[in-house]
Amino acid sequence: DTGVSQNPRHKITKRGQNVTFRCDPISEHNRLYWYRQTLGQGPEFLTYFQNEAQLEKSRLLSDRFSAERPKGSFSTLEIQRTEQGDSAMYLCASSPLGYTFGSGTRLTVV
Amino acid sequence: SQQGEEDPQALSIQEGENATMNCSYKTSINNLQWYRQNSGRGLVHLILIRSNEREKHSGRLRVTLDTSKKSSSLLITASRAADTASYFCATDEYGTYEKLTFGTGTRLTIIP
Repeated sequence: DTGVSQNPRHKITKRGQNVTFRCDPISEHNRLYWYRQTLGQGPEFLTYFQNEAQLEKSRLLSDRFSAERPKGSFSTLEIQRTEQGDSAMYLCASSPLGYTFGSGTRLTVV
Repeated sequence: SQQGEEDPQALSIQEGENATMNCSYKTSINNLQWYRQNSGRGLVHLILIRSNEREKHSGRLRVTLDTSKKSSSLLITASRAADTASYFCATDEYGTYEKLTFGTGTRLTIIP
């Protein structure tokens, strides 16, 4: 286990479709975070898990977004009824102290 | 929302020169971190400085933190072409659990 793994790397979807991304954190890291990054901006916090508990959700996460982390291991982020404004890089990170980021999933909604 | 601004937004220097980037933030913090991001990739953690530290070094990196001015700087000495990337500062607020708020980033280009 050499790092945080995210799949898929790229996803192109039609507006209105549902998409799901997966993040596999470093196995001993109990904290897991999702961030979203649009072009030319820094990442913005979406949600945070400690083990399997989702402890905070950003107001950026509309009702169309849901994240899970069953058994405190991998996490999924689902976007329902995608919109063009959802196009972004979705980044997962795990910690303690000092994040390790995955390579991200780039979503393009057409 | 972004925590603050990074300055400059873009910087181009000759290989071998030093690069300095600045970051300002708004709230009381536990730590400030700097990350590098190559185009289209994930972020790589570079260095963390705690709120009670004023300066930290790691290889060719030197970070300073001035909590009275709510600002930090990242100095990369003897730059290399491989240093070309975007650099972001990120802070976690006092009393939070490590949720990071990122700046807007500085795009650094090293000219060979």
